[in-house]
Amino acid sequence: DAMVIQNPRYQVTQFGKPVTLSCSQTLNHNVMYWYQQKSSQAPKLLFHYYDKDFNNEADTPDNFQSRRPNTSFCFLDIRSPGLGDAAMYLCATSRDRGGANEQFFGPGTRLTVL
Amino acid sequence: GQNIDQPTEMTATEGAIVQINCTYQTSGFNGLFWYQQHAGEAPTFLSYNVLDGLEEKGRFSSFLSRSKGYSYLLLKELQMKDSASYLCAVMDSNYQLIWGAGTKLIIKP
Repeated sequence: DAMVIQNPRYQVTQFGKPVTLSCSQTLNHNVMYWYQQKSSQAPKLLFHYYDKDFNNEADTPDNFQSRRPNTSFCFLDIRSPGLGDAAMYLCATSRDRGGANEQFFGPGTRLTVL
Repeated sequence: GQNIDQPTEMTATEGAIVQINCTYQTSGFNGLFWYQQHAGEAPTFLSYNVLDGLEEKGRFSSFLSRSKGYSYLLLKELQMKDSASYLCAVMDSNYQLIWGAGTKLIIKP
C-alpha cells in the first residue's frame, strides 16, 4: 500500500543533543511537509518542499533544519533540542499544492527531551 | 491575522447526531478541509469543500458558507470509534493550510 512512513515512532533525546527524524513516502507526491503538534493544539507547519524547492515558515526557529535528498525522503534535524521542542512531529505529503490536494500524514514521531 | 475557531470539546451519545462548527478568517480561500485525529495518531482526511453547500460522504457530511466564513461537520449514527478530535483547516491564498486546534468529541454509550 502506498503510504507515508516515519521513523522512529518514539524518540528520546537529551537536552541539547542533536536528533534527526526521518520520513519516506511511496505515493510519489511532489510536496512534503513537516509539522510540529503539541497536545490539544493545531499542527504548526515548520517547512515544506515543493519538489526540491524548500520553503521555510517565517517563525520556524533556526534550531530546526530540513533536507530532502530525493522525492521519497525528507529529514528533520533538530540541532539543539530544548524542553519546549518535546512534541509530536508529523510528516505529510500532497500530490501538488493548492486546490483539492489533501495531505496524507505519516503516523508521527513523538519526541521526548530529557 | 488568520484565525480558525472551533469548540474545544463536545459530548454526544452513541447512535445520535452531532454537528461540529468551524468559523474562519483567512487571507484568501482555496478550500476547507476536515480531518479526524485519534489520540496519539496522525490526522486522516475526511472531507474537502470549496463551493457553498453540503457534501455528503456516508455517515459524515460537511457544509460550507463562504460568505459567512463558516463550515460544519455533521456526524450521524455515532459510533464509539468516532471518539476523536476533528480538525478544521482552511487553505489560504498562498496555498498554505491554516489549522484549527481541533474539537475533541467524546461519545458516551
